[in-house]
Amino acid sequence: EPEVTQTPSHQVTQMGQEVILRCVPISNHLYFYWYRQILGQKVEFLVSFYNNEISEKSEIFDDQFSVERPDGSNFTLKIRSTKLEDSAMYFCAGTPSGVGELFFGEGSRLTVL
Amino acid sequence: GENVEQHPSTLSVQEGDSAVIKCTYSDSASNYFPWYKQELGKRPQLIIDIRSNVGEKKDQRIAVTLNKTAKHFSLHITETQPEDSAVYFCAASSSGNTPLVFGKGTRLSVIA
Repeated sequence: EPEVTQTPSHQVTQMGQEVILRCVPISNHLYFYWYRQILGQKVEFLVSFYNNEISEKSEIFDDQFSVERPDGSNFTLKIRSTKLEDSAMYFCAGTPSGVGELFFGEGSRLTVL
Repeated sequence: GENVEQHPSTLSVQEGDSAVIKCTYSDSASNYFPWYKQELGKRPQLIIDIRSNVGEKKDQRIAVTLNKTAKHFSLHITETQPEDSAVYFCAASSSGNTPLVFGKGTRLSVIA
């Protein structure tokens, strides 16, 4: 069964450093999302991406964040200058049609020191 | 935007008993209501979902009910087992590409 894959599984970085989290969605998915989950808290929407552009973003997704689909397969989330409060699990997710089940990746745990 | 409230935040039940988790939503345009189960350190996984054109859906020991008038929906787990122990999240979205908005989660502990 196809799965959403994410790398790295865990990244530790210093405050102020740039981080890129990568996701390979399921091949027939057209709508992509990044969510984050601070330890012990709820899953929070960051951004949705369709047809090579952002379709919606939350208040959390400020100028420090960006998303790209550089080569038609990978889907990346970049945090330009990390802050301590960016420490969280970041989940990539996708759907074929924009409604219905979200298929989550295993997540990338980001620790900012 | 949509706001989803979930209760209780923690729930402990004896093995074999039933568990009920409740959610309310604010956006009357929402029409898709999934429930996700998240085991420790794992990704959220869909366990059941319901759309606004039905009031109840059942899948073995799991059922979801929806009251659109009151804007609330509930997850019912019967004959609970220790492997049901996890965090459960409700969510809501409207049609189109509107992203899912999640509740804060309920940590269910099933005591053997």
